[in-house]
Amino acid sequence: EAQVTQNPRYLITVTGKKLTVTCSQNMNHEYMSWYRQDPGLGLRQIYYSMNVEVTDKGDVPEGYKVSRKEKRNFPLILESPSPNQTSLYFCASSFAPGGVPSTDTQYFGPGTRLTVL
Amino acid sequence: SQQGEEDPQALSIQEGENATMNCSYKTSINNLQWYRQNSGRGLVHLILIRSNEREKHSGRLRVTLDTSKKSSSLLITASRAADTASYFCATDTFNAGGTSYGKLTFGQGTILTVHP
Repeated sequence: EAQVTQNPRYLITVTGKKLTVTCSQNMNHEYMSWYRQDPGLGLRQIYYSMNVEVTDKGDVPEGYKVSRKEKRNFPLILESPSPNQTSLYFCASSFAPGGVPSTDTQYFGPGTRLTVL
Repeated sequence: SQQGEEDPQALSIQEGENATMNCSYKTSINNLQWYRQNSGRGLVHLILIRSNEREKHSGRLRVTLDTSKKSSSLLITASRAADTASYFCATDTFNAGGTSYGKLTFGQGTILTVHP
């Protein structure tokens, strides 16, 4: 089944304790992206990757890191989480028609609900 | 501020009625997409309309795009209780080479409630 998986789905942690949220897709998509969703603010893009070894900042990258060593995986790293990073996080991926990375028709993971105390 | 802003923020209708949601954006775009989100779950792509298109249909969905007004509308006809969800518009802009910058901007969403 074509899907985007995220782990963990729920996480409660404490300020300053490094954590990684994994994202994996099995559709051979070139484009991958991370978003956070907060009440009243909609979805905001954190980082995105047009292809392997290519990553760029979205609108709210502060406090986050990403890497894209393999096409299928795009982990989100919080080196020193703070309470303002408490949020619902989504990973998404999309196909590159003709090999040109595209944001068209994104497939979303189920979300990771993170609480930082 | 958000590139895409949906209106209304919340919409409550009866089953069988039509639901119309609007999205306004600020800068020039190359395409606009609509997504649906069921309570706290991942978003699901509904429909995409490109900047050179004015109207598009998919099943009970009808999307229009007015680039002169920088706005789009999503119409769901003959709504069902299962249509209850949040609906988001998302915009993308291409660079001079005709490819995406990769930045997708979402609006804040419209919460649709369809009563049986």
